[in-house]
Order: sequence, then C-alpha cells, then structure tokens
Amino acid sequence: EVQLVESGGALIQPGGSLRLSCAASGFTFSDYWMNWVRQAPGKGLMWVARINGDASSTYYADSMKRRLTISRDNTRQMVYLQMNGLRSEDTALYFCARGHGENWYYDLWGRGTQVTVSS
Amino acid sequence: DIVMTQSPDSLVVSLGERATINCKSSQSLLYSFNNKNYLAWYQQKPGQPPKVVISWASTRESGIPDRFSGSGSETDFTLTINNLQAEDVAVYYCHQYYTAPYTFGQGTKLEIK
Repeated sequence: EVQLVESGGALIQPGGSLRLSCAASGFTFSDYWMNWVRQAPGKGLMWVARINGDASSTYYADSMKRRLTISRDNTRQMVYLQMNGLRSEDTALYFCARGHGENWYYDLWGRGTQVTVSS
Repeated sequence: DIVMTQSPDSLVVSLGERATINCKSSQSLLYSFNNKNYLAWYQQKPGQPPKVVISWASTRESGIPDRFSGSGSETDFTLTINNLQAEDVAVYYCHQYYTAPYTFGQGTKLEIK
C-alpha cells in the first residue's frame, strides 16, 4: 500500500528537542522529494521543510530554520525532522508529504503526528 | 515570501448548488518556461490530512469527481464545485509551489445550507 506514517510526536517542555519520523511504503522512495507541513490547532497549513531524493538539498521555513534539521534514509525509506529549542507556538500536527520534484504539489500525505509544547 | 489570500473565509451553499472559492497570490505563479501555473487546491475533512483535488491550477487529480474544477492564471485562481454534495463539506486550501518557501492560503470552510 502506498502510504506515509508519521511518528515521534509527544508532549514536551519548552526548550526541548524532538525527532519526528515518517515511514514510507509502496513506492520508490528515493524518486521523491519529501516535505514536512504543520497545522496548529484549528489553524491552516504551514510548510516547514523539504529534502530532495538523495538528501543533497534541504530547505527550511525561515521562522524555524535555525532549529530544524530534515534528513532521510533511503535504505529504510524514512524521513526525519529534528526539532530543537521547541516553543509553545510549535504546537501542531506535523504531516509528512510527498512531492515529485523541487517545486511540486503534494500528492500523498500521512495522517500526522502531534507535537505539544507545554510546561 | 508569496502571500496566498483566499476568499471567502467561509461559505454556506445548498446541496446541488455551486460553490466558488477564490485565491489570489502576491506574485505570478505562471512559469513562462513551461506555461504552467504552480497552484494546487487541497480538500481537508475533519480529522484527515489534506488531499489534493486540483494541481497546475486546472488539472483534476485521479479519482476526483468532475464537479470539481480549477481555473485562473498568474495571480488569480478559482476552485469551483458544481452540484455540491454532502461529502464536499471540508476546508479547502490553495497552495503555491512556484518557489520556496511554499505557502498556503488561510483556508475556506465550506458548509451545507
């Protein structure tokens, strides 16, 4: 089955770190650019980061880029998002999403993993 | 950053009628090299991830009913849903993938009257 499954979300204190994971299956993972998109409670969508197929190129939203690292392991068909210095405003549902290229829409989304930053 | 502005924020339409959602971008999304508009529309139902319904401004995705259509070019785009069905209740987002950082409209909540 073609799918993306996120994990790693948690309740974490401000200033903490978290690594989100996204497991891909059912397609040739290395052919696709992968993205993270987040959605704060009751709010809209915000693109966070993307990585190309061979992990040679990454790009981040300005508001978060000093605190994020996106990576991937094509042998395990996984993409990761390392988040440091978490703030309450980072509380959101984090989706991973697939695109066919650098500037491409997202034709496959996971169901998301919840990150809650609170003391 | 490209700013995407949708209108209206919410919309109430009767079953069988037409729903129209607009999206305006702060700069052109038309790439002259290939004459494509880098604009997608997503449908998000409660508790679900977004699902792409229209890509390249007017290309309906596989499995999407033909009552969904997209139009527009450069900075002004429209999603039209004809013959509205109960299952179309959702929040709809436009999305520019012309250039990073990729940005979304604020969303339009579509409800049935």
